[in-house]
Amino acid sequence: DTGVSQNPRHKITKRGQNVTFRCDPISEHNRLYWYRQTLGQGPEFLTYFQNEAQLEKSRLLSDRFSAERPKGSFSTLEIQRTEQGDSAMYLCASSLALAASGNTIYFGEGSWLTVV
Amino acid sequence: AQKVTQAQTEISVVEKEDVTLDCVYETRDTTYYLFWYKQPPSGELVFLIRRNSFDEQNEISGRYSWNFQKSTSSFNFTITASQVVDSAVYFCALSEQAGNNRKLIWGLGTSLAVNP
Repeated sequence: DTGVSQNPRHKITKRGQNVTFRCDPISEHNRLYWYRQTLGQGPEFLTYFQNEAQLEKSRLLSDRFSAERPKGSFSTLEIQRTEQGDSAMYLCASSLALAASGNTIYFGEGSWLTVV
Repeated sequence: AQKVTQAQTEISVVEKEDVTLDCVYETRDTTYYLFWYKQPPSGELVFLIRRNSFDEQNEISGRYSWNFQKSTSSFNFTITASQVVDSAVYFCALSEQAGNNRKLIWGLGTSLAVNP
């Protein structure tokens, strides 16, 4: 297992187009997270799943954003009708929900989105 | 409310110098976890350490060491004999423990430049 995998790594899209990012978590991890990060800022929480259930969504996640995790494995984050303000790096992370693990979250390399 | 403060926005040192990155946190939880992550220019957030709120022992891992002091709500990170490869943005983060909400609260990061 090579860790959390995200693709595409880079995406340039025109305003108004839809984009989808995929995340493959560490295989035994039951929790999956999406974060967004802009330059000079820390990651901002967007949403997380435990298995296939989406347990929380940030208020940052507008109606144009939707995330799914069918079958509790990989996840997709779709942004509809992209806006220039959506330009950011979208980070996926996963963790194993066990007390002993302290819920350490492991991140992927991120997917850079540029909306032009 | 939970909060993480990294007062140092940017630090620049010369190779082989020791450098300490400060992290101060606020939380009402009695049980919590603190983390440090490294983000090199490639973008991936690399997990460095997790500390349980009940464990105040300092930890050393090679050139890295961490000083956790609950009395001052600080979790500082020291790099001894810094190297150019240490150049990155370093984030301190706090894990909430309320219910199923396990998202991280992040500081704004400290950008470390180690010059040859």
